[in-house]
Amino acid sequence: EAAVTQSPRNKVTVTGGNVTLSCRQTNSHNYMYWYRQDTGHGLRLIHYSYGAGNLQIGDVPDGYKATRTTQEDFFLLLELASPSQTSLYFCASSVDSNERLFFGHGTKLSVL
Amino acid sequence: QQKVQQSPESLIVPEGGMASLNCTSSDRNVDYFWWYRQHSGKSPKMLMSIFSNGEKEEGRFTVHLNKASLHTSLHIRDSQPSDSALYLCAARRNNNRIFFGDGTQLVVKP
Repeated sequence: EAAVTQSPRNKVTVTGGNVTLSCRQTNSHNYMYWYRQDTGHGLRLIHYSYGAGNLQIGDVPDGYKATRTTQEDFFLLLELASPSQTSLYFCASSVDSNERLFFGHGTKLSVL
Repeated sequence: QQKVQQSPESLIVPEGGMASLNCTSSDRNVDYFWWYRQHSGKSPKMLMSIFSNGEKEEGRFTVHLNKASLHTSLHIRDSQPSDSALYLCAARRNNNRIFFGDGTQLVVKP
């Protein structure tokens, strides 16, 4: 099965802090996604990309930046973290947008 | 605005029973649907996909799609305690954005 690796697995930061979440896939997938999951909200799309250097805005982009530096690597940046960004973050990848998503294990972020 | 509505929010079925889950999109530009399953503390994994009108069966799982009403349903027969999980419906908008519903929490009681 396709592998998607997220790091770190857990992160605690303070309000106003900078956080970078990393995601790497070695499946030669074109599409990569960042979602957040909160109780009662399922998965909400933050940003996505269909290739190196490409970035598309998702449904809940405020307070987040993303960058796809290579085919393999997709980063999510929180430059001024707020408690409302405390959540479980999932990265996912797919060969194409009409193909299944493969998810990483998730990053649990707490903003105090 | 929630583009994918799932019902019910939670469902309890006895072991061996039938579980039926529903999903409807309010976005007319949706063209693909998936069902994902997420066990507690784990990441979502795709169960089934459906893109054409009609029905698709894989083992104990059957999925239906009505493209006119943008409604899909997932049916699990002979439910097992290991089927207890959060079931997420996903849809693709034709701009390649994939969004999810809030999920149905299924509990299968032994």
